[in-house]
Amino acid sequence: DAKTTQPPSMDCAEGRAANLPCNHSTISGNEYVYWYRQIHSQGPQYIIHGLKNNETNEMASLIITEDRKSSTLILPHATLRDTAVYYCIVRPDFGNEKLTFGTGTRLTIIP
Amino acid sequence: DAGVIQSPRHEVTEMGQEVTLRCKPISGHNSLFWYRQTMMRGLELLIYFNNNVPIDDSGMPEDRFSAKMPNASFSTLKIQPSEPRDSAVYFCASSPLVGVYNEQFFGPGTRLTVL
Repeated sequence: DAKTTQPPSMDCAEGRAANLPCNHSTISGNEYVYWYRQIHSQGPQYIIHGLKNNETNEMASLIITEDRKSSTLILPHATLRDTAVYYCIVRPDFGNEKLTFGTGTRLTIIP
Repeated sequence: DAGVIQSPRHEVTEMGQEVTLRCKPISGHNSLFWYRQTMMRGLELLIYFNNNVPIDDSGMPEDRFSAKMPNASFSTLKIQPSEPRDSAVYFCASSPLVGVYNEQFFGPGTRLTVL
């Protein structure tokens, strides 16, 4: 049962901001939005997570709409090393550590 | 910090053979996860442990698969007998069992090929 919907692929020019959308229209009030990415031949890597406020860390920013039905991951200055598959995941509240990965968005950074 | 360690990195075996994959989680982490990734099915959670106790094994495909965590620093995933459809990359991940959220740290994976 897919809880998130992401575009299968996107391109972004190097140095520009990459904006990756995610729809999660059935999200519950106590569910968090997580973003992971997987660079080719590596294990997934945590990027950021949020509940309802916008979040920023050294890797990215996460913008969650007020109704929480969608979010956008922003990589402010994309580099070639950001080429990866990006997964948007809705995770149940504390007590259930499962992460269910969908098909993600394959982001290609163009030189 | 060495991160999550998995061995072997690559395994090629013949159908019917027993395969054992190994994982050493990050020291101090209380949760351990086994995932399988294939082109057809993507990244799937097989089983996870909290404090060495299996919590959810609903993703384990069938009785040929078994996982153990005898102590906090070691886990195994065993396939017996192996079949060609088990060919995949198997990832182990660990996380601290604290707080409201958990960031999972993934190992480099074991690429299994069953001929």
